[in-house]
Amino acid sequence: EPEVTQTPSHQVTQMGQEVILRCVPISNHLYFYWYRQILGQKVEFLVSFYNNEISEKSEIFDDQFSVERPDGSNFTLKIRSTKLEDSAMYFCASTRSGGGETQYFGPGTRLLVL
Amino acid sequence: GESVGLHLPTLSVQEGDNSIINCAYSNSASDYFIWYKQESGKGPQFIIDIRSNMDKRQGQRVTVLLNKTVKHLSLQIAATQPGDSAVYFCAEMWSNTGKLIFGQGTTLQVKP
Repeated sequence: EPEVTQTPSHQVTQMGQEVILRCVPISNHLYFYWYRQILGQKVEFLVSFYNNEISEKSEIFDDQFSVERPDGSNFTLKIRSTKLEDSAMYFCASTRSGGGETQYFGPGTRLLVL
Repeated sequence: GESVGLHLPTLSVQEGDNSIINCAYSNSASDYFIWYKQESGKGPQFIIDIRSNMDKRQGQRVTVLLNKTVKHLSLQIAATQPGDSAVYFCAEMWSNTGKLIFGQGTTLQVKP
């Protein structure tokens, strides 16, 4: 069964450093999403992406965040200058069409900012 | 404001019993709802979904009920097993872009 994959599984970085989280969505999916989950809290929407542009973004997704689909398979989330409060699990999700269809989530990247 | 919530943070049941996990949502315009299961250190795993034109949907050992009048969603798990132990989240879809709004989560503990 096809699945969303994410790398790395864990990332430790120093405050102020840039990080890039990588995702490989399910191959025939066209809509891509990033969510984050701070330890012990609920999953929060960050951004949705379709046709090489952002469809919607949350208040969390400020100028320090960016997303890119650099090739036909990868979908990346970049945090330019990490802050302590960026420490969280980051999940990528994808779906074949947009609204009204199940989103399949990757296993997540645990980001720890020191 | 936007919120999807669950009534109980923790639910403890005996193996073999039925479990009911509840969720209240706020946006009456939401038309798609999903239950996810999350095991420790893993991503949310799809369990079952329901559209707003339905009030009940059944899967294997799971049933989702939707009451649009009171904006309430529930997940019923029949014959709960130790492998069902996890955090369960309800989520509503708010927009055509597919943005999901998640509830706080209920931790289901299954006692052998």
